Amino acid sequence: SQKIEQNSEALNIQEGKTATLTCNYTNYSPAYLQWYRQDPGRGPVFLLLIRENEKEKRKERLKVTFDTTLKQSLFHITASQPADSATYLCALDTGRRALTFGSGTRLQVQP
Amino acid sequence: EAGVTQFPSHSVIEKGQTVTLRCDPISGHDNLYWYRRVMGKEIKFLLHFVKESKQDESGMPNNRFLAERTGGTYSTLKVQPAELEDSGVYFCASSQDLGQGHEKLFFGSGTQLSVL
Repeated sequence: SQKIEQNSEALNIQEGKTATLTCNYTNYSPAYLQWYRQDPGRGPVFLLLIRENEKEKRKERLKVTFDTTLKQSLFHITASQPADSATYLCALDTGRRALTFGSGTRLQVQP
Repeated sequence: EAGVTQFPSHSVIEKGQTVTLRCDPISGHDNLYWYRRVMGKEIKFLLHFVKESKQDESGMPNNRFLAERTGGTYSTLKVQPAELEDSGVYFCASSQDLGQGHEKLFFGSGTQLSVL
């Protein structure tokens, strides 16, 4: 069956360190993979999109990698700040436009 | 620029009642989506409008759910009659079609629906 796995355990890191979040999937052939940030009581906010033929994408302190062989995406936040504390969601786009979301990983950056 | 707005932010109803959720997308966005998150689960796709037409409604759980987008502007999602398992957060999202086969979604803050 199709499955998207994100680490359900919260990730606690110290301010200034790099946070690395993982998204693994099985039985999908995504054309694109997107990462969103969600704060309590709010809707998801788009961060980055990476295509299946791209290995890496960067935006300011954010970096996403996409390995279609391993069926995995890694999301990195460098020089993390307490304001980065939120839940981060990965979402697969198989080209149908309907996104399939993972359950999200909660990141807590300690000052 | 105004974002995606949803109304109401919270709704508490009794089983068997009817509830209508409203979504106003970002002006100019032809694509409008409904998603929902039920307790403890991931956000799941419900349906997709392109302007006033339903492009994909494969995620609609059953015929108690009716979505409309008259005139291709705002959209409503009606649940009639509501059941306990319909409780959750209903998100609306919109996007601009850039002809690239994909786009980033702009989400509203959601409607928290509680069916008692």
